[in-house]
Amino acid sequence: QKEVEQNSGPLSVPEGAIASLNCTYSDRGSQSFFWYRQYSGKSPELIMFIYSNGDKEDGRFTAQLNKASQYVSLLIRDSQPSDSATYLCAVYSPNAGNMLTFGGGTRLMVKP
Amino acid sequence: DTAVSQTPKYLVTQMGNDKSIKCEQNLGHDTMYWYKQDSKKFLKIMFSYNNKELIINETVPNRFSPKSPDKAHLNLHINSLELGDSAVYFCASSQGLAAHIFEQFFGPGTRLTVL
Repeated sequence: QKEVEQNSGPLSVPEGAIASLNCTYSDRGSQSFFWYRQYSGKSPELIMFIYSNGDKEDGRFTAQLNKASQYVSLLIRDSQPSDSATYLCAVYSPNAGNMLTFGGGTRLMVKP
Repeated sequence: DTAVSQTPKYLVTQMGNDKSIKCEQNLGHDTMYWYKQDSKKFLKIMFSYNNKELIINETVPNRFSPKSPDKAHLNLHINSLELGDSAVYFCASSQGLAAHIFEQFFGPGTRLTVL
């Protein structure tokens, strides 16, 4: 069973702090990794993707990938209350067909 | 202006009924998907479909069937609804079939409640 695991949270951080969201995956053949943000009652929206080991930065967001340890993380700098949402990690593996496997998401709460 | 739309937004029905959820995308995408999100927020792929290929998640019961009248529409038909089918169903689309390359755009979701 291919799995993607996330801590469900909630992860609570004060406004302006760095929020660190983690995701582990079981399939070593996984190639592509995605972070989606989902506000309560809304649909998921893509915020970051990463293919290669290391860091990828986009504004206040940084995705980090370590394939040897099979984890991917998302850092949110200068967290804002508007960042409060559930963050879903998704993994693509050719072993799973042409489909993304999603984790259960981590709920982030940024307190003013 | 809506890129991916779904109807209805809410659907409440009795066990054993048959129902359909409609999805339309105006992005000109070739590939469409159906996902199920349960109460614990797990988002699970059910189908991916383009004009050449239907890929079915093997865990999806055959009571669920996608129907595509054209490239812009992918409807989800569910027979003999069960209590466990209660969830939010999301339609999505992407430019191509390669899930690791093409961003998926999600519709607003349909909350299905089976009584």
